[in-house]
Amino acid sequence: KAGVTQTPRYLIKTRGQQVTLSCSPISGHRSVSWYQQTPGQGLQFLFEYFSETQRNKGNFPGRFSGRQFSNSRSEMNVSTLELGDSALYLCASSLPVDGANVLTFGAGSRLTVL
Amino acid sequence: AQSVTQLGSHVSVSEGALVLLRCNYSSSVPPYLFWYVQYPNQGLQLLLKYTSAATLVKGINGFEAEFKKSETSFHLTKPSAHMSDAAEYFCAVSPMDSNYQLIWGAGTKLIIKP
Repeated sequence: KAGVTQTPRYLIKTRGQQVTLSCSPISGHRSVSWYQQTPGQGLQFLFEYFSETQRNKGNFPGRFSGRQFSNSRSEMNVSTLELGDSALYLCASSLPVDGANVLTFGAGSRLTVL
Repeated sequence: AQSVTQLGSHVSVSEGALVLLRCNYSSSVPPYLFWYVQYPNQGLQLLLKYTSAATLVKGINGFEAEFKKSETSFHLTKPSAHMSDAAEYFCAVSPMDSNYQLIWGAGTKLIIKP
């Protein structure tokens, strides 16, 4: 079956702009999580959506937001971009197995802010 | 707060040598435990998971990990390293009462010397 699809794979923006990233989960997965990965900070959890509701949230400013649609597809938005927002943004979908949340990741969207 | 510690941001081994990547967690109750691998320019991929069944868990690509409750450890091993094992490895913990949220280690880059 198809994996987790993230679009776009690469994008370049300038400071002050906004960006929307898209994630299509594996069919049947109702949970979608978003992560920011940078060389300095490692893997940082942004938020998780389950059945269109935000279930968990990391410690990111309000400029970072997300949503999930009824078909489980998810988008995240970053407004008023800053240079420090340059990162690989990873989306993961999941279906709990044996009570554990086993994540399947997409290849990521690499954002460069100039 | 719960935490995950991966000892060594970089580990270098010779091809054919034993691979040992260390992961310790802080939790009074045995959680769910995971190892993920990230190859260059890709998302993360599940290597193996512990969900309170057998303490020795076998994963993909010849890796295995042993859950040791007394040491709060979940170290990843492979008897003989291949060049293709060069990647970044992440340990993650999902506490039982965490609403499925994962706590991630900082990652260990595995370097394979020819």
